[in-house]
Amino acid sequence: AQSVTQPDIHITVSEGASLELRCNYSYGATPYLFWYVQSPGQGLQLLLKYFSGDTLVQGIKGFEAEFKRSQSSFNLRKPSVHWSDAAEYFCAVEGFGNEKLTFGTGTRLTIIP
Amino acid sequence: GAGVSQSPSNKVTEKGKDVELRCDPISGHTALYWYRQSLGQGLEFLIYFQGNSAPDKSGLPSDRFSAERTGGSVSTLTIQRTQQEDSAVYLCASSAGIRETQYFGPGTRLLVL
Repeated sequence: AQSVTQPDIHITVSEGASLELRCNYSYGATPYLFWYVQSPGQGLQLLLKYFSGDTLVQGIKGFEAEFKRSQSSFNLRKPSVHWSDAAEYFCAVEGFGNEKLTFGTGTRLTIIP
Repeated sequence: GAGVSQSPSNKVTEKGKDVELRCDPISGHTALYWYRQSLGQGLEFLIYFQGNSAPDKSGLPSDRFSAERTGGSVSTLTIQRTQQEDSAVYLCASSAGIRETQYFGPGTRLLVL
């Protein structure tokens, strides 16, 4: 069965600093990988996704993520965070022949001035 | 509409009552998903519809939960004899097909007293 681990429950970053959110997955083959963001009281918004090809994917709002097969990781990065990036971030995996998303437990991001 | 819509946005009910939650997917999307987001369990898959195929009900937590999708469009999630542990945010998502990106609605926040 597929699974996702987000080891950081809560991260605090200063505005303008760089950000990396960790995500590790467990799956027998290369899965489809996603990062979603959820602002308070809002639904989930897709930031970016990896299906195949270039392992560095660009998303919306200046985010990027890198798929590393050897580490079973799909970490999310942003070079300079903005106060509006404060939200909860979810990594998700979708396996081949299994169309449901399996989510990590999420990482809550706090931005300080 | 432009996105997935869900109604009601909030629902308060008494233990033992039945509730119905509605989801309107993005027009033309053939796949529809229900997820549940709760403090104790995080984001978990409930049920998946794809076209005219039999739904994948593997995530439904008990037989009190059921869902239908009429005419390949609108879906209703029904919870019978609600329990306090059913309190959660119920999220609906739709996609253009198998292995396409899932787009989420804003959710229905259910509180069972």
